[in-house]
Order: sequence, then structure tokens, then C-alpha cells
Amino acid sequence: DTGVSQDPRHKITKRGQNVTFRCDPISEHNRLYWYRQTLGQGPEFLTYFQNEAQLEKSRLLSDRFSAERPKGSFSTLEIQRTEQGDSAMYLCASSSRRNDGTPRVLTFGAGSRLTVL
Amino acid sequence: KNQVEQSPQSLIILEGKNCTLQCNYTVSPFSNLRWYKQDTGRGPVSLTIMTFSENTKSNGRYTATLDADTKQSSLHITASQLSDSASYICVARLGRGNKLTFGTGTQLKVEL
Repeated sequence: DTGVSQDPRHKITKRGQNVTFRCDPISEHNRLYWYRQTLGQGPEFLTYFQNEAQLEKSRLLSDRFSAERPKGSFSTLEIQRTEQGDSAMYLCASSSRRNDGTPRVLTFGAGSRLTVL
Repeated sequence: KNQVEQSPQSLIILEGKNCTLQCNYTVSPFSNLRWYKQDTGRGPVSLTIMTFSENTKSNGRYTATLDADTKQSSLHITASQLSDSASYICVARLGRGNKLTFGTGTQLKVEL
């Protein structure tokens, strides 16, 4: 297992089009997170899953955004009717419970960079 | 409002020198404080995690400190290398839920 994989790495689209990003987490990790990062800013939380259940969504996740993790493994993040303000890096991370009780460590993927023209 | 503020915004140092990055947080209730390193165009990589009961933690040439009373943390980098050039992000976790609050990062550049 080589870590968290995201696809595509770069996506350029025209305003109004739909885009979908995929994330393959580390196989034994039960939690999967989506973050958005704009230039010069830290990542902002969008949503997270525990197995296939979506447990929390940020108010940043407007009704144009939808995330799924149908089988508790890979996840997709879809953005409908893209706007220029959606241009950002979309980061996926995964984590698992640690047997020693120490805090979960999030392992991030390299991100999917979206440019909306 | 839960916030994490970092200073300086950017820093340039010579290879071999030490540096210290600062982080102030207002996250409450507080659970733990993390430092991440993010190379340009890549995802963040975890360096250290400290709970409120810990006041220092090391990872190789990186040493993080935490003062939960003053809500301040620092990341000290010893004997810097060119590969240390990156953004260093301070992250605070709330004591409830799973939300991490990220700072905007300190952009470090190590030069010859």
C-alpha cells in the first residue's frame, strides 16, 4: 500500500461543468476526510466518513457538493455546476484508530487541483 | 471563533541554521496540537502530535513545544537542510467532534 491516492491530480474545467474527484485511502483506515485548500491558506474541513457513513459535513459543503463512500473503501467528491470560487486543491486524508489510544494521525493524499475557467 | 494563528508568515534561513516557528490557538475545548509539513503541490505530512498534557515532542530534527495555559506552540528546526523548505502548518483539534482547525502556515525557505 503506497498511501492515499487521489485522481485526477489536476482538472481544468469551464464554469458550469460538473467534476468528480476520487480518493483511495490506506486500505485499513476506516475514516476518510475531504478538505479544501486555497492558495496561501490552510486546509478547510469539508466532510468525513467512518466506513460508509458520512458523519459530519461542513457548512462549506454547499448543495452543489456531494461526497460518497459507497463500500467504505474509496470515496468520490462531486462538484456540480462549478463556479470560479471552487478553484482550489481538494485534499483527501484517511486515518484509523490507534491501539495505544494516542490521537489518530491523518495521512493526506497529494491532492486534486481544480481550476475553473 | 476557533482560530489558529502562525508567525512568521514566511522565513528565509541559511542551510545549517536553526529556526523556531510560532503558533497561537484559540480552539476550545482543546484536545491536541499538531504540526504538519507541506511541500509545494503535495498534501500535508504529520510531524508531531501533542495532547494537552504533553509539553514537548521531538521527531528527528523537529522539536515541538506546547503551553496549554497560554495556548501557544512552537516548532524548532535544528540544523536546517534544503529539503526543509516547505510550509509548516499548525493544527489544533477540538475536544469534541473530529474537526481540525488549520493555521495558514509559515513558508520556510532554506538557502545555501
